Amino acid sequence: EPEVTQTPSHQVTQMGQEVILRCVPISNHLYFYWYRQILGQKVEFLVSFYNNEISEKSEIFDDQFSVERPDGSNFTLKIRSTKLEDSAMYFCASSEIVWEGFDQPQHFGDGTRLSIL
Amino acid sequence: AQSVTQLDSHVSVSEGTPVLLRCNYSSSYSPSLFWYVQHPNKGLQLLLKYTSAATLVKGINGFEAEFKKSETSFHLTKPSAHMSDAAEYFCVVTPTGGGNKLTFGTGTQLKVEL
Repeated sequence: EPEVTQTPSHQVTQMGQEVILRCVPISNHLYFYWYRQILGQKVEFLVSFYNNEISEKSEIFDDQFSVERPDGSNFTLKIRSTKLEDSAMYFCASSEIVWEGFDQPQHFGDGTRLSIL
Repeated sequence: AQSVTQLDSHVSVSEGTPVLLRCNYSSSYSPSLFWYVQHPNKGLQLLLKYTSAATLVKGINGFEAEFKKSETSFHLTKPSAHMSDAAEYFCVVTPTGGGNKLTFGTGTQLKVEL
């Protein structure tokens, strides 16, 4: 069964440094997402991306964050200047096209654990 | 706005006994509801989904859930627990056709004992 893959599985970064988290969505999917889960807290929506632009973002997704689909297969999340509170598990997800009245489920990767020192 | 409340943060059952994980939802729109499972150090795996078709939904690994609009509930059940079911379970809501942002519950940790 096709799956979403994320790299690296664990990233350790100094505070203030830039970090890029990478994801390869399922090949025929058109919607892409990032979520995060701070240790002991809920999984939180960050951003959704369709047709090469952001379709929705949460209040967490401020100017420090950006997403990009640099080629036909990768989907990246960049945090420009990391803070201690960015330490979390970051999940990438993808889904087939969404149309009114029916939602295709999102398929998740195994996550990247980001540790900010 | 939509939200889900998972009523139990931890549930412990004996192997071979039934499992019940409770979820109540709140949604301004007709919701789509999902259950996801997360095993340790793994991603979120879809167990089942409700999208306004049959109210009793069957998922993988013997799990099922029933959508009850009158009770705003979407409880997850399994007749007989297996050791491999030990994991964290998330109830998730999104407005049907209204977008693709998932709202997660706080999760229920299921422990299965011999």
